[in-house]
Amino acid sequence: AQSVAQPEDQVNVAEGNPLTVKCTYSVSGNPYLFWYVQYPNRGLQFLLKYITGDNLVKGSYGFEAEFNKSQTSFHLKKPSALVSDSALYFCAVRDLETGGFKTIFGAGTRLFVKA
Amino acid sequence: NAGVTQTPKFQVLKTGQSMTLQCAQDMNHNSMYWYRQDPGMGLRLIYYSASEGTTDKGEVPNGYNVSRLNKREFSLRLESAAPSQTSVYFCASSDQGAYNEQFFGPGTRLTVL
Repeated sequence: AQSVAQPEDQVNVAEGNPLTVKCTYSVSGNPYLFWYVQYPNRGLQFLLKYITGDNLVKGSYGFEAEFNKSQTSFHLKKPSALVSDSALYFCAVRDLETGGFKTIFGAGTRLFVKA
Repeated sequence: NAGVTQTPKFQVLKTGQSMTLQCAQDMNHNSMYWYRQDPGMGLRLIYYSASEGTTDKGEVPNGYNVSRLNKREFSLRLESAAPSQTSVYFCASSDQGAYNEQFFGPGTRLTVL
């Protein structure tokens, strides 16, 4: 079965410092990986995705993610954090074993950026 | 474009009552989804509709039914609400194809007493 793990419930970082939110996955075959962000009392918003090609994927709001097949990881990164980046972040993988319509989400990582 | 809209935003039910959550999208997407979000558990898929006229069970379908009314609308019905169904419910839509991202509505916060 395909799965996604976000090992950290919470990440704290100072404004201006680089941030990393970790994600590891377990799939059979090639993974379709996504990052979403959720601000308080809002729905999820798409940040970026890896389908194929370059291992470094750039997305919205200055975020990027690095796909590492050997470590089965897809960590989200940003060179310089902003207070406004404080939110809940979800890593997700499409379950291709069931036709790709099902998305499996990690439990989420809460990011706090301190001014 | 309004994107994905959901009604109502909040709802309180008593155990055993029924209700329908409404969802509509204006992006001409083929696929639509219903999720529930519970603390520490991420989002779990309840039902999805790959295209108009089809619906399939997701990870946690028990206690729910869905209707894909047309290409735009996908409703979720709780026939006899239980306290375990207290959650935040999100509707989402996407273009068909596993490589496409999903677009989410603002959510419905449901409390079952």
